[in-house]
Amino acid sequence: EAGVTQSPTHLIKTRGQQATLRCSPISGHTSVYWYQQALGLGLQFLLWYDEGEERNRGNFPPRFSGRQFPNYSSELNVNALELEDSALYLCASSPGLAGEIAFFGPGTRLTVL
Amino acid sequence: SQQGEEDPQALSIQEGENATMNCSYKTSINNLQWYRQNSGRGLVHLILIRSNEREKHSGRLRVTLDTSKKSSSLLITASRAADTASYFCATDTSGGSYIPTFGRGTSLIVHP
Repeated sequence: EAGVTQSPTHLIKTRGQQATLRCSPISGHTSVYWYQQALGLGLQFLLWYDEGEERNRGNFPPRFSGRQFPNYSSELNVNALELEDSALYLCASSPGLAGEIAFFGPGTRLTVL
Repeated sequence: SQQGEEDPQALSIQEGENATMNCSYKTSINNLQWYRQNSGRGLVHLILIRSNEREKHSGRLRVTLDTSKKSSSLLITASRAADTASYFCATDTSGGSYIPTFGRGTSLIVHP
């Protein structure tokens, strides 16, 4: 069974640009979570999607947004990139609202120059 | 703010020794989970303990949960160099929505 996949592996952007990160959950999982892991700050919860709807978002500005597609894959968009957006962005999936274990992808390393 | 906080932030031991890391959290939980992260990669789920359980084992891992103190500990016995990684605890909340909330992790280095 394929795990959670994320693309791209690495992404380099300049300040002010937009970044799009993608995530494909494990087959059958309907929930997708996005986390930001900046150096030394642990995992910060960004967004949670389930069944195509945004269920919750963390304490991040509106320039962090995303969506979940009918096949449950998800996209994270970061507009007007700032230097402090440089981080590892992790996607996780779980079987749905009752899911108890989140399965993580390998992450996308975003570098903003 | 983080729901769970791991302690210590860093731990350095010799192969064969036991490693103990702790996690404290703030609000009531349904369950608590431990994850492992190898350098710069995704997290791997290790073990889940429910709020009505006090202790759980999985191979060389032993997890305890004390809901009265809002704390958990992860013990890795007979550690190996391959156990070198960061370890995170994650809690859900009891508010009906399942959102794994992580601490900052404990960085474990096991010297061969």
